[in-house]
This record gives sequence, structure tokens and C-alpha cells, in this order.
Amino acid sequence: NAGVTQTPKFRVLKTGQSMTLLCAQDMNHEYMYWYRQDPGMGLRLIHYSVGEGTTAKGEVPDGYNVSRLKKQNFLLGLESAAPSQTSVYFCASSYTLSSYEQYFGPGTRLTVT
Amino acid sequence: SQQGEEDPQALSIQEGENATMNCSYKTSINNLQWYRQNSGRGLVHLILIRSNEREKHSGRLRVTLDTSKKSSSLLITASRAADTASYFCATDEYGNKLVFGAGTILRVKS
Repeated sequence: NAGVTQTPKFRVLKTGQSMTLLCAQDMNHEYMYWYRQDPGMGLRLIHYSVGEGTTAKGEVPDGYNVSRLKKQNFLLGLESAAPSQTSVYFCASSYTLSSYEQYFGPGTRLTVT
Repeated sequence: SQQGEEDPQALSIQEGENATMNCSYKTSINNLQWYRQNSGRGLVHLILIRSNEREKHSGRLRVTLDTSKKSSSLLITASRAADTASYFCATDEYGNKLVFGAGTILRVKS
């Protein structure tokens, strides 16, 4: 039982490049989330999904797209990376949106130069 | 910003002492959660307290909730070096998604 896994762990992009971050969970959770964490700001929700085939915007969705083609996977895409997207990205999953604990992946550290 | 506030921003104590950190939020909530994050790792859930509860315990952790003051506190008793981490509160005050505070950095010196 791996919980929530994220790939890659580290990535350096040049401005304008694109990439996809992959999140996978093996707990059969319906709900999945992508957050970004910047120094001194805690976690901010980028996008989330309430089930396979669904996605919704969070607090800071601009510049990101997501897809949930399979229940266990949640992909975060950056179409044209900008230095402001330099951050640590966390994926999480849970049974419900807010009434139960969220399980977090180990994070992806992304640097955009 | 939708984020709640935590204080202190940083706390340094000696092993064996108690650590208290506080969280404030802005509107009504159904529940409040506390998470721990070790350096370079993801967040780990510690405890959830519902709006109709005033106090909850889990091992060396004690969480209180005062809905009239819109605040919560996390007390770690008899701290250990392994408790060194960042601690975050999270609420559902803006609908049904969690909103995280900026966190308190706790350093326990041995």
C-alpha cells in the first residue's frame, strides 16, 4: 500500500516549457487535490477532483490544467511555465472534500528559470 | 487570501517542554484539522476536531477549539526532538474545501 505517490520528485524547466506532474493513489479515494506551497504561505489549492472524469478550480488555478481520466490518477499540467510557478507541488487524496483527513504525497520541487 | 492565521510563526523550545501553537480563522466552520510537515516531506494528518467539540486528545497532542473566538490551539506535551516540524491548521470555512494556514515552525532542541 503505497498511499499517494508523485512523479517526478524534482524538475527544472525553462520559461515557456511545458510539463505534466503525475499523482497516483491506491486507497480508492474519490477526491484528489493539487496544492502548491510557497515559503511563508502554507498550501494553496490549485485544482481538485471529486471523481473520475471531473475537475474543478481551486484558489490559484491560472496557468495550470488538470485531468482525471482514471480514479487513481490526477495529472497537473503546466502548458507554458513561468518563474512564478517555481514552487513545491503536493498532491493529496481523501474520502470526502473536507470532513476527513487528506493524505499527501511527498511533493515535487519545480524550478522555472 | 483565504488563509487563516497561525501564531507564532516560529517556536523554539527545549526537549521536554510543552509547545503551544494557535490558529485563527475568519468564518464559521464544520471542522478544523491539524497537520505536521517534516522538512522536505508531505503533510501528515494529526487530528480533526468538529465544531461541536471543545477539546480532543491524541497521545501527547491536545487540541482545543473555541468557535466564539474563531480560534484553535495545538498543545504538544513533553516535546521531543522528533517533533521538530512545521504545523498547519486547516479549516473548511470557505465551503467544502480545506484552507490551510501559513504554519508554525517548531524546533525542539535536545
